[in-house]
Amino acid sequence: DGGITQSPKYLFRKEGQNVTLSCEQNLNHDAMYWYRQDPGQGLRLIYYSQIVNDFQKGDIAEGYSVSREKKESFPLTVTSAQKNPTAFYLCASSIYLAGGRGANVLTFGAGSRLTVL
Amino acid sequence: GESVGLHLPTLSVQEGDNSIINCAYSNSASDYFIWYKQESGKGPQFIIDIRSNMDKRQGQRVTVLLNKTVKHLSLQIAATQPGDSAVYFCAENQRLGGGSNYKLTFGKGTLLTVNP
Repeated sequence: DGGITQSPKYLFRKEGQNVTLSCEQNLNHDAMYWYRQDPGQGLRLIYYSQIVNDFQKGDIAEGYSVSREKKESFPLTVTSAQKNPTAFYLCASSIYLAGGRGANVLTFGAGSRLTVL
Repeated sequence: GESVGLHLPTLSVQEGDNSIINCAYSNSASDYFIWYKQESGKGPQFIIDIRSNMDKRQGQRVTVLLNKTVKHLSLQIAATQPGDSAVYFCAENQRLGGGSNYKLTFGKGTLLTVNP
């Protein structure tokens, strides 16, 4: 079955440490995204990538970094510069980034919950 | 700034009743809207979408209504079941800058609780 796999599902980090969240998709989608979700909040866009070797900052990119070396993979690194990293992180993909019905419908992974100790 | 928001953060209904979840948006240039359902501890799942040139679209037990005059979107769930309990998000497809790329902007979500 095609889908998006995020790992790990739960992650604990000490302050000052960098952590990397994995996101892999086998949907052959061009565009991939990372969102952050806090309790009682909507999804906020961290980074997105339209194509391999290209990515753009979203609304809350500070303290995060990404790479897109392969079409299938879009890992997110939460750096020590992120002041409040405890959150639920969601990876998503879409056929491509352009608008129009269907083109930007996102498929989400199951999420990774990061807790800073 | 541009935003997508919800009138009601929580909604509690009895099993079998119809549910209506509302969403307000502010970007009149958005070309379509999507509703997602998120169950506890899981990622959001697509429910239904609607283009800005439509007023209504129906799916299985769900109907989305779009009122562009007042920039309002609603999701109606018929004969609500316990399995419908989840957080529901509306999302607005917004153009990025002046180019041809778009991104989705999500509202805060409404928690729907279905009582047996």
